[in-house]
Amino acid sequence: NAGVMQNPRHLVRRRGQEARLRCSPMKGHSHVYWYRQLPEEGLKFMVYLQKENIIDESGMPKERFSAEFPKEGPSILRIQQVVRGDSAAYFCASSRDRWYDEQFFGPGTRLTVL
Amino acid sequence: AQTVTQSQPEMSVQEAETVTLSCTYDTSENNYYLFWYKQPPSRQMILVIRQEAYKQQNATENRFSVNFQKAAKSFSLKISDSQLGDTAMYFCAFMKHVLGYGQNFVFGPGTRLSVLP
Repeated sequence: NAGVMQNPRHLVRRRGQEARLRCSPMKGHSHVYWYRQLPEEGLKFMVYLQKENIIDESGMPKERFSAEFPKEGPSILRIQQVVRGDSAAYFCASSRDRWYDEQFFGPGTRLTVL
Repeated sequence: AQTVTQSQPEMSVQEAETVTLSCTYDTSENNYYLFWYKQPPSRQMILVIRQEAYKQQNATENRFSVNFQKAAKSFSLKISDSQLGDTAMYFCAFMKHVLGYGQNFVFGPGTRLSVLP
């Protein structure tokens, strides 16, 4: 059973471009979580999704950021018109059924905005 | 809002010795979960141990155990017989239980642990 997959592992964008980060949860997992980690800081919760539904987006910036988890395919975290402050590692995690089941983390996507 | 504090930015311990990492949190909730996650240099996040707030018994996983003091809002992690592979960032995390769905996932700033040979 493959773990949580994230791609790309590294993404470089220029200011103003769009960034799309993909997360494929573990097989059988229907809950997906996105976190952002700035250098030398802990993880900051962004959004929690269950298939086709956003359950909690309290950690997501109101503008330029959006997330989806369609019925088929990976979860996507989309950042429009990126700025230098968006440079960070973005981690995705998934869990099976109940939200408090163990979250399995992906390897992260490191976004660099030039 | 919930907050999680880890007052020790860095710690070191000799191999085979015991070390305790501290974590305190602030919440008005009564039903919640606490976690310790480990992030080695590979940057993979790995769950170390989990504690349900309604359980009085401290959680234990092999060499890892917690001292959960609910009234004091303290959740420390003890690592016994430290091994070189324990070198990592350790994050304390809080999760509130609301209507069957978790909300308010909050991580502390982390403690960098170095195990010395």
